[in-house]
Amino acid sequence: GENVEQHPSTLSVQEGDSAVIKCTYSDSASNYFPWYKQELGKRPQLIIDIRSNVGEKKDQRIAVTLNKTAKHFSLHITETQPEDSAVYFCAALGGTSYGKLTFGQGTILTVHP
Amino acid sequence: NAGVMQNPRHLVRRRGQEARLRCSPMKGHSHVYWYRQLPEEGLKFMVYLQKENIIDESGMPKERFSAEFPKEGPSILRIQQVVRGDSAAYFCASSPAYATNEKLFFGSGTQLSVL
Repeated sequence: GENVEQHPSTLSVQEGDSAVIKCTYSDSASNYFPWYKQELGKRPQLIIDIRSNVGEKKDQRIAVTLNKTAKHFSLHITETQPEDSAVYFCAALGGTSYGKLTFGQGTILTVHP
Repeated sequence: NAGVMQNPRHLVRRRGQEARLRCSPMKGHSHVYWYRQLPEEGLKFMVYLQKENIIDESGMPKERFSAEFPKEGPSILRIQQVVRGDSAAYFCASSPAYATNEKLFFGSGTQLSVL
């Protein structure tokens, strides 16, 4: 089955800096890669996603890049703000036709004012 | 525009009791997914159901756990004879029949605590 590795496990940045979180996956049939943000005690919220026919996608301060050959994808947050502090999870959807996501272990992002 | 609704939000059980977690999908959605999140870990797929049918239960423990999605009413995740290791957050997501690989939006989850 699919295996997703996420790094780093913790990331601390100053407000205004950029943050990058990286994930690798094992199943070359995976074709959909969402990113979720989870605040303490809350549900995971989908913040951005990318499909395997696209190399990069951007939404305001958030961008995701995908390298299918190397089987890795990354989340980039620019101009970080304290409210960006949360746990971020990457995920991959394998070759199934339904939403059976495999999640990474999570990255605790702390943005210091 | 109600999203996926889960209840209860918090559930406390003693070892050996039964836990029943409920999930009402978004309006018009007929497919439900259950995921479990252990403390400080990512979510792990448990089971995928359509109305009256289990499609994939490969992530479900073989014993004590069961799930159903009846023709009427919410999906139910049932854990019999709970143990401390069952303490976790259980999240549900739903999708429409015509787009089962689309984005997953999760409910608020049920935090199960086993004493």
